[in-house]
Amino acid sequence: SAVISQKPSRDICQRGTSLTIQCQVDSQVTMMFWYRQQPGQSLTLIATANQGSEATYESGFVIDKFPISRPNLTFSTLTVSNMSPEDSSIYLCSGVGGGSSYEQYFGPGTRLTVT
Amino acid sequence: AQSVTQLDSHVSVSEGTPVLLRCNYSSSYSPSLFWYVQHPNKGLQLLLKYTSAATLVKGINGFEAEFKKSETSFHLTKPSAHMSDAAEYFCVVSDMDTGTASKLTFGTGTRLQVTL
Repeated sequence: SAVISQKPSRDICQRGTSLTIQCQVDSQVTMMFWYRQQPGQSLTLIATANQGSEATYESGFVIDKFPISRPNLTFSTLTVSNMSPEDSSIYLCSGVGGGSSYEQYFGPGTRLTVT
Repeated sequence: AQSVTQLDSHVSVSEGTPVLLRCNYSSSYSPSLFWYVQHPNKGLQLLLKYTSAATLVKGINGFEAEFKKSETSFHLTKPSAHMSDAAEYFCVVSDMDTGTASKLTFGTGTRLQVTL
């Protein structure tokens, strides 16, 4: 199994600013993903973080708003840019390991509040 | 396109009674199906997964789910609820047979309440 940590665990930010969330995996994973969970709602996939290349974004999400980096197989960052109160959510990263299980492991999430 | 529908947004049971959380899926291919649990202020934990092997899948904490292709269902059950089971449960589908490195589509969630 893989253990995923995220920093920060929570933050309160002012509108118009940006926040970078870090995701660290304790072992190499083949793929990493970023999700958003708005208050009281389910998880929505933002993008697939591709190692060494540009992320692949889902419909409704764009690179200018959510730039993503993945410099190696154990680390990724998500930036929430030019924030507005509508960006207040929990942001989660996940990783897919190798081996026979191919389970997707989730980080604890970053709770973001934009004022 | 793949999707899941969780038929109940909220389920309340008494401690010691059975739990049934319902999920129907739609998938163009042979799906992989998962149930995740999210306790308050905690991360997501995988309860169990179906990846085209046995249709009755046993998971952690006494939970199990049965894949029924004819009904396109993957309902989650537990014979006897415990107070610690109170949480949000998500039914999740992935289109790739092994669920490997694939995008997950989450249901809207079912909040399970367990009362004394």
